[in-house]
Amino acid sequence: NAGVTQTPKFQVLKTGQSMTLQCAQDMNHNSMYWYRQDPGMGLRLIYYSASEGTTDKGEVPNGYNVSRLNKREFSLRLESAAPSQTSVYFCASSERFYDGYTFGSGTRLTVV
Amino acid sequence: SQQGEEDPQALSIQEGENATMNCSYKTSINNLQWYRQNSGRGLVHLILIRSNEREKHSGRLRVTLDTSKKSSSLLITASRAADTASYFCATVPTDSWGKLQFGAGTQVVVTP
Repeated sequence: NAGVTQTPKFQVLKTGQSMTLQCAQDMNHNSMYWYRQDPGMGLRLIYYSASEGTTDKGEVPNGYNVSRLNKREFSLRLESAAPSQTSVYFCASSERFYDGYTFGSGTRLTVV
Repeated sequence: SQQGEEDPQALSIQEGENATMNCSYKTSINNLQWYRQNSGRGLVHLILIRSNEREKHSGRLRVTLDTSKKSSSLLITASRAADTASYFCATVPTDSWGKLQFGAGTQVVVTP
């Protein structure tokens, strides 16, 4: 099925552990994004990649790093997880910056 | 910071009724988008309206945009139980090109 695929769907980490969230899209979109969603706060942009080979910080980048591995894949890494990073993480992609986004189904992360 | 704010925060209606929700935003925009999120799922793009458009339709959805008041409304006509979801407005500000900014959403419950 065409779209945005995120792995894993669920993850529990201990404080201080690291992990990488994977995201891949098969729509040949140029731009990709990572958002986090917390209750009552909507979605907040963590990092984005306007095109292959570029990445930029969003609204809440602290504690995260990203890699745009190729046009299809955009990963999000937590180097030292903290309880404040407990959230649902969504990856999205779009053909152009100002187009509608296609979202993945999310990764529910709990840091204990 | 959130660009868009939806009103009301929650809405409960019966099948067949119309549902209206509003979105206000703070800065000049390139376009405004509406998304739907079913419980535990990713966001789905519903409709995009550009800053030079005043009204747009898609099936049972009608979106209006008033750039002078920095506000938009989403109308769902003849609602169905399957319309139960959270609805988010999101804006592409002209001074933050490509960084789609979301509001906190309106939770809509449609009872049979």
